[in-house]
Amino acid sequence: QQPVQSPQAVILREGEDAVINCSSSKALYSVHWYRQKHGEAPVFLMILLKGGEQKGHEKISASFNEKKQQSSLYLTASQLSYSGTYFCGTSWKETSGSRLTFGEGTQLTVNP
Amino acid sequence: GAGVSQSPRYKVAKRGQDVALRCDPISGHVSLFWYQQALGQGPEFLTYFQNEAQLDKSGLPSDRFFAERPEGSVSTLKIQRTQQEDSAVYLCASSSYRGPRGNQPQHFGDGTRLSIL
Repeated sequence: QQPVQSPQAVILREGEDAVINCSSSKALYSVHWYRQKHGEAPVFLMILLKGGEQKGHEKISASFNEKKQQSSLYLTASQLSYSGTYFCGTSWKETSGSRLTFGEGTQLTVNP
Repeated sequence: GAGVSQSPRYKVAKRGQDVALRCDPISGHVSLFWYQQALGQGPEFLTYFQNEAQLDKSGLPSDRFFAERPEGSVSTLKIQRTQQEDSAVYLCASSSYRGPRGNQPQHFGDGTRLSIL
């Protein structure tokens, strides 16, 4: 039931774009995206709820395809600060505070 | 500070010892979660509190793991008779509660890195 993230790792040059996917075999209610740097807390990026909405935050945006049970995170014009491991966390209950099941992560490295 | 605070940051214990990990959530956050994160893996759910009530403890790996939140604020995760496989980072997260519709972000602490020798 763990969501599957792809790719496992990606290396970019500063200014390039990247897409990270998160797929579930079970019907999703919400997808949470986090970025974690080594030895630090996961930092919340955004939540997407079922309904196929797309959200954006500066140069980072995400979509939720309910038909495919998949969410994608888009990073445009990447910056050095974007480096880290990106996790999607999924929930299947329509209640606030429900447990999240996380993927194994996508390690993103942005080089100058 | 306004964030989730966890202590200690690092804990080394000998196999068989008991340990207690503390989490101080964001003030006013009703929901509190504990996760376990192995090296190179995503966080794995352990247990969930809403105020002082432990609503879900299905992720606790064995009866050696026990969590409490007696006054609905600070929480403690206790591991008895520690084993080497308990070595991991233990993350605490809190979130506000806005009713049954929608989900709220979970805000994580820096975690406690537990090493069992």
